[in-house]
Amino acid sequence: GDSVTQMEGPVTLSEEAFLTINCTYTATGYPSLFWYVQYPGEGLQLLLKATKADDKGSNKGFEATYRKETTSFHLEKGSVQVSDSAVYFCALSEGAAGNKLTFGGGTRVLVKP
Amino acid sequence: GAGVSQTPSNKVTEKGKYVELRCDPISGHTALYWYRQSLGQGPEFLIYFQGTGAADDSGLPNDRFFAVRPEGSVSTLKIQRTERGDSAVYLCASSPNRGETQYFGPGTRLLVL
Repeated sequence: GDSVTQMEGPVTLSEEAFLTINCTYTATGYPSLFWYVQYPGEGLQLLLKATKADDKGSNKGFEATYRKETTSFHLEKGSVQVSDSAVYFCALSEGAAGNKLTFGGGTRVLVKP
Repeated sequence: GAGVSQTPSNKVTEKGKYVELRCDPISGHTALYWYRQSLGQGPEFLIYFQGTGAADDSGLPNDRFFAVRPEGSVSTLKIQRTERGDSAVYLCASSPNRGETQYFGPGTRLLVL
């Protein structure tokens, strides 16, 4: 079945540092890929998505590129802020599976001033 | 506009009791999903509704769990004979149609004592 693996946290960074969170996936078809974010005390929010190979999703300074050859969708941000402290979830969905989301385990990111 | 709402926000119950969790999707959204998130893990799919019908209930862990969406809007997740292992955050998401972005509610935190 489908699965998503992402790096375990916590990841602790200083403000303005570069952030990478690795995400790889296993899927039977051609999934859409997502990054969701959960800020402290808040619900899950879609951060960005990509629906086909080589697409780049971007939002709020974050980027991720759908790499079919390496089955990866790594999240990057060039200069993090304290407000980026949150838990980040990589996820996929497949149309043949009703578009239900399959999530990774989440990566907690803590940005210190 | 109003987002996805879930009630109650917290529920404490005793082992063996029956509980109902409610989800109000975004108005007009035809697809509705339930997920369960255990502490420190990513959400796991439970059931998906397209309109009034359960299109995919493959994620329900056993027959103690049941969900309905009788009028194609509000959905109720029902858990019979609760067990301590059912303690988790239950998340609801809706999307305009199958395959479109899912918007999550704040979740119901269930604690079974």
